[in-house]
Amino acid sequence: GAGVSQSPRYKVAKRGQDVALRCDPISGHVSLFWYQQALGQGPEFLTYFQNEAQLDKSGLPSDRFFAERPEGSVSTLKIQRTQQEDSAVYLCASSSLGGGGLETQYFGPGTRLLVL
Amino acid sequence: AQSVTQLGSHVSVSEGALVLLRCNYSSSVPPYLFWYVQYPNQGLQLLLKYTSAATLVKGINGFEAEFKKSETSFHLTKPSAHMSDAAEYFCAVSFRSYSSASKIIFGSGTRLSIRP
Repeated sequence: GAGVSQSPRYKVAKRGQDVALRCDPISGHVSLFWYQQALGQGPEFLTYFQNEAQLDKSGLPSDRFFAERPEGSVSTLKIQRTQQEDSAVYLCASSSLGGGGLETQYFGPGTRLLVL
Repeated sequence: AQSVTQLGSHVSVSEGALVLLRCNYSSSVPPYLFWYVQYPNQGLQLLLKYTSAATLVKGINGFEAEFKKSETSFHLTKPSAHMSDAAEYFCAVSFRSYSSASKIIFGSGTRLSIRP
């Protein structure tokens, strides 16, 4: 079956531009996570959805970052007024259960964002 | 607070040699531990996970890891390296949560190179 997909795969933005990154999770997966991976670093948690509810957004670095999952399936991560420090790979992951720590998270290929 | 430390950002071994990637964790509660692999331009793939059952965990592609509570370690090993094992490897920790996201905390990664 299809895995987690993300689009676009690559995005170049001018500083100050708004961007929107899309994640299509595995069908039926309840949980959806966004991570940010800077060059040479491990992924860092941004936010978590259980169905359409955003239960944890403690990792969002500033109020310029906004995520939504209005119908409990596709999710969009929006970054307003992009800055150079936003350049990173943004990873989306989904899992079949709603928390608990045991379930496997399946990752998409990521969107590589470069802010000039 | 939970954290993961990967010793060595780059490890190089000869084809057929033992692979040993080191990981130490810090956790105030019983942890779940993971190893993920990331091939170039691809998403993270779960190699194996420890969830408080057997301390020796076997994963895909011949990899295994041993949970040692006394040493707070979860090192990844493979008896004989293949060229296809060249990739970035991430150790990660999570913990049981019944009321919130099971977000994963990643180490900074170890790049594994295989010499012919």
